[in-house]
Amino acid sequence: NAGVMQNPRHLVRRRGQEARLRCSPMKGHSHVYWYRQLPEEGLKFMVYLQKENIIDESGMPKERFSAEFPKEGPSILRIQQVVRGDSAAYFCASSAGLGDQPQHFGDGTRLSIL
Amino acid sequence: DQQVKQNSPSLSVQEGRISILNCDYTNSMFDYFLWYKKYPAEGPTFLISISSIKDKNEDGRFTVFLNKSAKHLSLHIVPSQPGDSAVYFCAASPETGANNLFFGTGTRLTVIP
Repeated sequence: NAGVMQNPRHLVRRRGQEARLRCSPMKGHSHVYWYRQLPEEGLKFMVYLQKENIIDESGMPKERFSAEFPKEGPSILRIQQVVRGDSAAYFCASSAGLGDQPQHFGDGTRLSIL
Repeated sequence: DQQVKQNSPSLSVQEGRISILNCDYTNSMFDYFLWYKKYPAEGPTFLISISSIKDKNEDGRFTVFLNKSAKHLSLHIVPSQPGDSAVYFCAASPETGANNLFFGTGTRLTVIP
C-alpha cells in the first residue's frame, strides 16, 4: 500500500507511559481520520483533522487523548498515561475530501499495554 | 448505540457461487455507504460505494444494492473466489466526502474451494 503510512506497526507500552502513533496520508490528501478497533468490534471514529485544524473530535475520549496534523509532517495521535483498556488497533485514514471520494486506510498500529 | 449493523458475524459460500452480505442502518441522515474488505493485520481496503440517489452500483464482480425505505444495503459478490475470504465491513456517512464513517461490526466471509 503506497498510500496511507502508519508507524509503528506494533507498539508496546507499560501502564502510565505515553504512546505516540504516526500517520502520513496518501499523496494529495489533506483530510485525516483516526479510528480505533477493539477485538471483535468494528472501527470507531475518533477524530478528523485537516492541516493544522481539528475538524471533529467527537469520538475522542475527553482525557489523555490528543491529535494533531501539523503543517509539516505526519498526523500524530497521542495517548498519555496509557491504561490496559487502551489496547487496540488504531487505524488512520485519509481522503481528498472531494465529492464522493472514499477514505483510504493504513495498516494500523497495534497498541499493547502491559 | 450501533447505528450500522451487520447481523451475520460469518458466512460460508462455495467457490463460484454468489456471496450476499447484508447491512442495516438506523440513522436516516446517512446518505453515503461503503463496503470495505479487511485481511488480518492489514487495514480496511475500499471496495465499492453508493450514494443515496442510487439504488445500485456495480464494479466487476461486486454489486451494492441500497434500499433506503428499509434502511438496508447488501453487497453481492459473484462469482465468489477463495481470495475473497476476509472480513467485510459496511460503513455509512451522513454526507459524501469529508466526514467520519460509522462502521458495522463486520462479517467474516469464507469461500470454500
